[in-house]
Amino acid sequence: QVQLVESGGGVVQPGGSLRLSCAGSGFSFSTYGMHWIRQAPGKGLEWVAVIWHDGSNRYYADSAKGRFTISRDNSMNTLYLQMNNLRAEDTAVYYCARSISMGTLDHWGQGAVVTVSS
Amino acid sequence: QSVLTQPPSASGTPGQRVTISCSGSSSNIGSKTVIWYQQLPGTAPKLLIFNDNQRPSGVPDRFSGSKSGTSASLAISGLQSEDEADYYCSTRDDSLNGVVFGGGTKLTVL
Repeated sequence: QVQLVESGGGVVQPGGSLRLSCAGSGFSFSTYGMHWIRQAPGKGLEWVAVIWHDGSNRYYADSAKGRFTISRDNSMNTLYLQMNNLRAEDTAVYYCARSISMGTLDHWGQGAVVTVSS
Repeated sequence: QSVLTQPPSASGTPGQRVTISCSGSSSNIGSKTVIWYQQLPGTAPKLLIFNDNQRPSGVPDRFSGSKSGTSASLAISGLQSEDEADYYCSTRDDSLNGVVFGGGTKLTVL
């Protein structure tokens, strides 16, 4: 069955960096676009970034542009989110999700908690 | 402020039918398919409805989606206690090359 497992979350000081990973299994990882979505404590869902199945295109929310980088290693069936210059407002649960069409996310990981605090 | 507007809360009693609305514009709901996600407390979101009104396998037919113009609705019939969750509408956004979500609706089963 399809599984997405995030890792790499933690506590980081403002201005610091963190890299999240999302390991996919149970499906042909290299044929699907992948997204990162986040959810701040007590808040709704916010789309962060998307990467095409082959890594040829990447797009970001305004809140992530210039600070976050989405990437993937299809040989390792793994999606990444490199987050730099982190701010308190980046504190959230970060989910990776598989895309079956541009807007439809049919499988989600369990989430990785990122806390930005001094 | 979310691009898609949902009521923050909704409620119903067991067995009742409830609807949750999602309002947008011609650039999102009016021209893109609508997706609905269910997020049970403490868990990741789950795909509930796609392509406006299609259910993935495993989603009970008590859940249905509809769309008219720039608004969409999620209907839940035969409400059950396990339906108590947050519900989010979503569409593709061509200007972002990404997706947008509604603010979410917390459904309480009384």
